[in-house]
Formats: sequence, C-alpha cells, structure tokens
Amino acid sequence: KAGVTQTPRYLIKTRGQQVTLSCSPISGHRSVSWYQQTPGQGLQFLFEYFSETQRNKGNFPGRFSGRQFSNSRSEMNVSTLELGDSALYLCASTGTGGSWGAFFGQGTRLTVV
Amino acid sequence: QKEVEQDPGPLSVPEGAIVSLNCTYSNSAFQYFMWYRQYSRKGPELLMYTYSSGNKEDGRFTAQVDKSSKYISLFIRDSQPSDSATYLCAMEIGSARQLTFGSGTQLTVLP
Repeated sequence: KAGVTQTPRYLIKTRGQQVTLSCSPISGHRSVSWYQQTPGQGLQFLFEYFSETQRNKGNFPGRFSGRQFSNSRSEMNVSTLELGDSALYLCASTGTGGSWGAFFGQGTRLTVV
Repeated sequence: QKEVEQDPGPLSVPEGAIVSLNCTYSNSAFQYFMWYRQYSRKGPELLMYTYSSGNKEDGRFTAQVDKSSKYISLFIRDSQPSDSATYLCAMEIGSARQLTFGSGTQLTVLP
C-alpha cells in the first residue's frame, strides 16, 4: 500500500511569490489535513478537507488556502510569501475515524528568501 | 499559554534506560491522546493513542493518561539508539482530524 506522497520535497521561493504544494493521500482515504512545522511554533494545524470540502481551519491568515480534488488529492497554496512562512509543511491522510488513523507524509520543506 | 505544554528537552540517556516523556494540557475537551515519533527529515509516525484515563502498553512503550490532572506520559523501556528522535504528544477533540501538538522532546539514546 503506497504511503502519503508530498511533492515537491524541497522548494525555495522569493518573498512575495506564491507557492502550491501537493499531497496524494493513501488510496481510499478521503480526508487530508495540513500542518505547518517550524522550530518556534512547532506543529500547527492549517486545515482539513474531506470529500472536496474544507471542514476545519486553523488560525492562519487568508494567504493560506487549499483545495481537494475528486480523487482526494489535495493542494495547499500560500500567496504573497513572507520569510516567516519558511517551514516544513506536512499533510496527513485519514480513512475512517479520527487522527489516530492518520498517516503523515514526509513533508515539503519550503524556504522563503 | 499554549493548550499543550511539553517538556522541551533535549534528553540524553544511556542505552537500556527507562525514558519518561510528559505533556500537560489545559483544554478538558480533548478526548484522544497520541504520541508521535519524528526522525530527522521525516514526517511524524504514530506510536500510540489512548482514549480513556489509565495505561496502555505496546511492547516497550507505555502511554499513560490522567484526565483529572490533565497530564499524559509516554514511557520507553530498554531504550535503544534507534529510539533517538523527537517525540511529540498530540491531542484531539472527538474525531475532528485537527490535532493540537506539544512542542516536542528531542531524545538521544547513547550506545
């Protein structure tokens, strides 16, 4: 069974640009959650999608957005990048139940210069 | 004050030692409690999850939850160098799929 795939693994962007990250969940999983991990703030919840609908959203500015496609693949977008957006972005794929059944991808390391 | 507080470490122990990792939380609505292990440059990996107060054992790992004190622990027996990683506690309200994490404890087990 293939795991959660996040692409790209590494990304360098310039301040003010926008970026799109992709997450392909485990086959059959319909829920995808996104998290931001930084040394200062740790792991913080961004948003969760289930069957193409955003169900929960964390406390992040509107520059952070996402979507989910009919095949459950999800993308997150960050517009007008700031230096503080440099982080590891992780997605978690869940089948039924809560996060105890979630599997994380290896993340996308975003560096904003 | 953060909803979940975790001893920051770093923690360094000799091989074979018993390791104790702890978190406290303030939100009594949390129902599910999880421990993740994260190796460098990898995503978190679920080690254990519990729902009720009490102990849950899985091999060398024991998770302990005390809801009355809002305190959870993870014990690692007979620690191995391969256990060297960052350990994160996490909590969830119901099945919201919205985890609240502790800041993580970096553990090094010395051979």
